[in-house]
Amino acid sequence: QVHLVESGGGVAPPGRSLRLSCAASGFNFSSALMHWVRQAPGKGLEWMAVISYDGSNKYYADSVKGRFTISRDNSKNTLYLQMNSLRPEDTAVYYCAKVGSDAPFESWGQGTLVTVSS
Amino acid sequence: DILMTQSPATLSVSPGERATLSCRASRSIGSNLAWYQQKPGQAPRLLMYDVSNRATGIPARFSGSGSGTEFTLTISSLQSEDFAVYYCQQYNYWPPWTFGQGTKVEIK
Repeated sequence: QVHLVESGGGVAPPGRSLRLSCAASGFNFSSALMHWVRQAPGKGLEWMAVISYDGSNKYYADSVKGRFTISRDNSKNTLYLQMNSLRPEDTAVYYCAKVGSDAPFESWGQGTLVTVSS
Repeated sequence: DILMTQSPATLSVSPGERATLSCRASRSIGSNLAWYQQKPGQAPRLLMYDVSNRATGIPARFSGSGSGTEFTLTISSLQSEDFAVYYCQQYNYWPPWTFGQGTKVEIK
């Protein structure tokens, strides 16, 4: 059974950095494409970034390009999101999601809340 | 980027009644459309993919239809556990993968 657990969220002042992690289990992580998706309080879903199974290909939303970096460590079954130069508008719950054979967001973690505030 | 527009924003339905949710894409996305259900405080859950295929464990009262730019999610007889927010999402043109703004299905 697919299990995704995000961690690393918290409160950070504007301009600072945070690194989110997503621990994966129950599937062959090293063969899976993985996404980060966020949801601002009371708002809808916004795709952030995707990474190929081996980390060689990455794509980002324009809103975070140049500030956020997606990466993975297949030896640790873990996905990361390095968030630099944080802005108040980055405040959201951040979800990791696994790409399935049929659908791009087949399984989701429970999310981790990031609050950017002074 | 593909803009996904959902209507209505809120749908008030009595238990046992039928609910019909709409999703429109700003240009044709073929059949590359998924629906997700999100309950308060929970992560989204995949409901449908490729317009009309139910994800694992999704009951048959959920059905999807449409192609190109117009899509519909139908819940044939609403159960208490179905009251939630529903999002459509396209995966024909990426990046970015884009979601609609959501339709909240509430108890009438």
